[in-house]
Amino acid sequence: QKEVEQNSGPLSVPEGAIASLNCTYSDRVSQSFFWYRQYSGKSPELIMSIYSNGDKEDGRFTAQLNKASQYVSLLIRDSQPSDSATYLCAVREGYGFNKFYFGSGTKLNVKP
Amino acid sequence: KAGVTQTPRYLIKTRGQQVTLSCSPISGHRSVSWYQQTPGQGLQFLFEYFSETQRNKGNFPGRFSGRQFSNSRSEMNVSTLELGDSALYLCASSWGDILSTDTQYFGPGTRLTVL
Repeated sequence: QKEVEQNSGPLSVPEGAIASLNCTYSDRVSQSFFWYRQYSGKSPELIMSIYSNGDKEDGRFTAQLNKASQYVSLLIRDSQPSDSATYLCAVREGYGFNKFYFGSGTKLNVKP
Repeated sequence: KAGVTQTPRYLIKTRGQQVTLSCSPISGHRSVSWYQQTPGQGLQFLFEYFSETQRNKGNFPGRFSGRQFSNSRSEMNVSTLELGDSALYLCASSWGDILSTDTQYFGPGTRLTVL
């Protein structure tokens, strides 16, 4: 059974701080990794995807992947109250499959 | 480019009834996946359709079924509704190419309430 683990939170950070969200996965052949943001009552919205070890930056967001440690993280710089949402980590199964596995999400609260 | 659309957005049914939900993927996408999301269970994978064939299936009872049409639009059916079926049902579309760095994009969801 493939698993994607996230701390459910809530993670509270002050406005302007860096929020760090973490995710671990159990399947060593996983190839693709995604972060989605979900506001309450809404559907998940893709923030970033990452496929190679290292960092990938997009605006205030940085995704970090370490396949050896089976660990992926999302950093949000200069956090804003509008970033308050649940962040879902998703892992796509390795080559030959098209199954995505989702963590249960980390709730982030950014306090003004 | 239009996003993923789902209809209806809200549904209220009673126990024992059946329901059909519809999903239209992003133009060109051939894979449609369905998920159930509840506060207690998170996002649970139901099934994936690709080129009118069910390619992957989650651990849901046979009351949950789906199909995909030649234009990649997909429907999901739940028969003999139970109170526990109340949830947000999400559809996600992707290219479906298993060798590519495929990405899923979600529709707005259908909120189903079973009374």
